[in-house]
Amino acid sequence: DAKTTQPPSMDCAEGRAANLPCNHSTISGNEYVYWYRQIHSQGPQYIIHGLKNNETNEMASLIITEDRKSSTLILPHATLRDTAVYYCIVPPGLHGSGNTGKLIFGQGTTLQVKP
Amino acid sequence: GAGVSQSPSNKVTEKGKDVELRCDPISGHTALYWYRQSLGQGLEFLIYFQGNSAPDKSGLPSDRFSAERTGGSVSTLTIQRTQQEDSAVYLCASSPWGRGGGNTIYFGEGSWLTVV
Repeated sequence: DAKTTQPPSMDCAEGRAANLPCNHSTISGNEYVYWYRQIHSQGPQYIIHGLKNNETNEMASLIITEDRKSSTLILPHATLRDTAVYYCIVPPGLHGSGNTGKLIFGQGTTLQVKP
Repeated sequence: GAGVSQSPSNKVTEKGKDVELRCDPISGHTALYWYRQSLGQGLEFLIYFQGNSAPDKSGLPSDRFSAERTGGSVSTLTIQRTQQEDSAVYLCASSPWGRGGGNTIYFGEGSWLTVV
């Protein structure tokens, strides 16, 4: 997997936007950026993914820089329920039978949303 | 029930006993993953199945661990001669693994294993 780097922890005030950065400077042209989160004692939950264009869904927005070496996950109005560990992952690109497709999770960013 | 289903949800076993953990992936998903997470730790990749290809077993921590996937659907993770360090939550995930669209995987709620 392309190596990703995330800050270990961040705080955010309830109702404000949470902006979670991720560096992936070794990403290849056909590799996607994925974001997952894990709320305490639950299985990880898919949030969003993108290749090069910015993406938005009902949970979050994903902003990918033009050179694709970094991205930012944005939770527009963070709530206390958004307190979780957020993982930025770049799995192997789809380029032939050698691709195993496994996702390797790093340590992620622990987001604490405070009242 | 559209999600990934795992059983048992909780298991307490004595050291030295064998345990089997079951995973029912989302219908139609060709890829299946096992991870484990010890208390306060990150997710550790164990094994990955993709269709009829040989599984990627590179994450299995020892030969006491094995997994199989019958008929391309249900998977069983077996831990033989359990040790206390095997205590963890074991998470299963599945993915449709469609070409060109990346790889979104969906997790079950896990099987919590405690070895006493």
